[in-house]
Amino acid sequence: EDKVVQSPLSLVVHEGDTVTLNCSYEVTNFRSLLWYKQEKKAPTFLFMLTSSGIEKKSGRLSSILDKKELSSILNITATQTGDSAIYLCAVIHGSSNTGKLIFGQGTTLQVKP
Amino acid sequence: GAVVSQHPSWVICKSGTSVKIECRSLDFQATTMFWYRQFPKQSLMLMATSNEGSKATYEQGVEKDKFLINHASLTLSTLTVTSAHPEDSSFYICSARSWPGQGALYGYTFGSGTRLTVV
Repeated sequence: EDKVVQSPLSLVVHEGDTVTLNCSYEVTNFRSLLWYKQEKKAPTFLFMLTSSGIEKKSGRLSSILDKKELSSILNITATQTGDSAIYLCAVIHGSSNTGKLIFGQGTTLQVKP
Repeated sequence: GAVVSQHPSWVICKSGTSVKIECRSLDFQATTMFWYRQFPKQSLMLMATSNEGSKATYEQGVEKDKFLINHASLTLSTLTVTSAHPEDSSFYICSARSWPGQGALYGYTFGSGTRLTVV
C-alpha cells in the first residue's frame, strides 16, 4: 500500500530556533515530492522535489530529497511565529495522465514568541 | 497564476439535506480534479479523482452514492454530499490538475476549501 509518513507529528519551538521536518514515502511509480504549508485554509505550495540531492531554498526554508532513503527533509531556520502551521508532505505517483497526490499526516509546528 | 475558486467557503446544513460544493478553474483548463476531506489536525485524505466527461474514481472506503462528483466541463467540478449527517462535517478541498504549460504551478492548484457543518 502506498504511504507517506511524516515526523514528528507536532513540534513546539521558540522563535529563532531551527527545525527539521521529515517525510518518508513508499509509493509505486514515484514522480515527485511536494511540501505545502497549511494555515487556516487550503495548502500553499512550498517546494517540489524530483531529483535526489539537489537542495531547494526559499528564504529561511530549504528542502532536499534523498531517493535512496525514500525521504525528504524540510528545514526552517530562524523560525518566526508566522511559521506556525501544518506542514504537509505529498508524493505524486502514477502515470503522467493520472498522477495523484498522496499526503502524509502533516507536522503541526507551533513557534512561540 | 492559476486559480481555483471554491464555493461556498463554509456551509451549515441540517441532517438529511444535500450540499453542493463547486470548484472552478478560472484561468486554465482542469483536466483532472481531486477532492479531499480533512478532519481537524489531520492531513488531507483523497476521496476521489474526476476527469472531465467521465465518471469519478473513488478511493477505497468512500461511498460514491453519498459523495456525488460531477466534472461536466474543463472548468467546473462539483461535489454533492447527499443526505448529510453530522459525521460528514469536515473541511473539503478540491485540487485541479492541468496539463503542463497551462499556467498551474507544477500542475496542482488547490481551492480555498469548504467547511461543512451538519447539525
